[in-house]
Amino acid sequence: EVQLLESGGGLVQPGGSLRLSCAASGFTFTSYAMTWVRQAPGKGLEWVSGISGGGGSTYYAASVKGRFTISRDNSKNTLYLQMNSLRAEDTAVYYCAKDLREQQFDYWGQGTLVTVSS
Amino acid sequence: AIQMTQSPSSLSASVGDRVTITCRASQGIRNGLGWYRQKPGTAPKLLIYAASSLQSGVPSRFSGSGSGTDFTLTISSLQPEDFATYYCLQDYNYPRTFGQGTKVEIK
Repeated sequence: EVQLLESGGGLVQPGGSLRLSCAASGFTFTSYAMTWVRQAPGKGLEWVSGISGGGGSTYYAASVKGRFTISRDNSKNTLYLQMNSLRAEDTAVYYCAKDLREQQFDYWGQGTLVTVSS
Repeated sequence: AIQMTQSPSSLSASVGDRVTITCRASQGIRNGLGWYRQKPGTAPKLLIYAASSLQSGVPSRFSGSGSGTDFTLTISSLQPEDFATYYCLQDYNYPRTFGQGTKVEIK
């Protein structure tokens, strides 16, 4: 059974940093691209970042480029999102998701809430 | 970035109704489109990928069509669990982009 478990969310001040983790199980992690998607309170879904199975290719939304870094440790079956220079508008539930053959996202975690506020 | 425009933004329907939601891309994306259903407080669920392929385990009342710039999600007979918000997502290129969502409410 595929499972994705996010952690690392919490309250952080504007300008601060946070690292999210997503522990994966139930599939061959290194064979699949992975993705972060976020959802601000009461708003729609926003794609944030993606990474290839081997980690050599990374992609970012314009809203986070230069501030967020996606990475993965295939020896630990874990996906990361390092978030720096956080802003109030980064407040959201952050989901990690497994790519379906680099198309859509077939499995999602339960999400972790990040709140940026003073 | 490719813009995805969904319509309508909301609709009211009854159990058993046929419901259609559309998504338009700002440029051609071939068949690089998927549809998701999201219930409040839960993660989205993949329904359709490659514009018209039904994801494993998804009921056959869901279907997708379209290619290029115009796409449709159809629910042939709305069930109680289908009252939710639906999103399209283009996977033609990066950055991936979602539509703004369509909320399906009980009439």
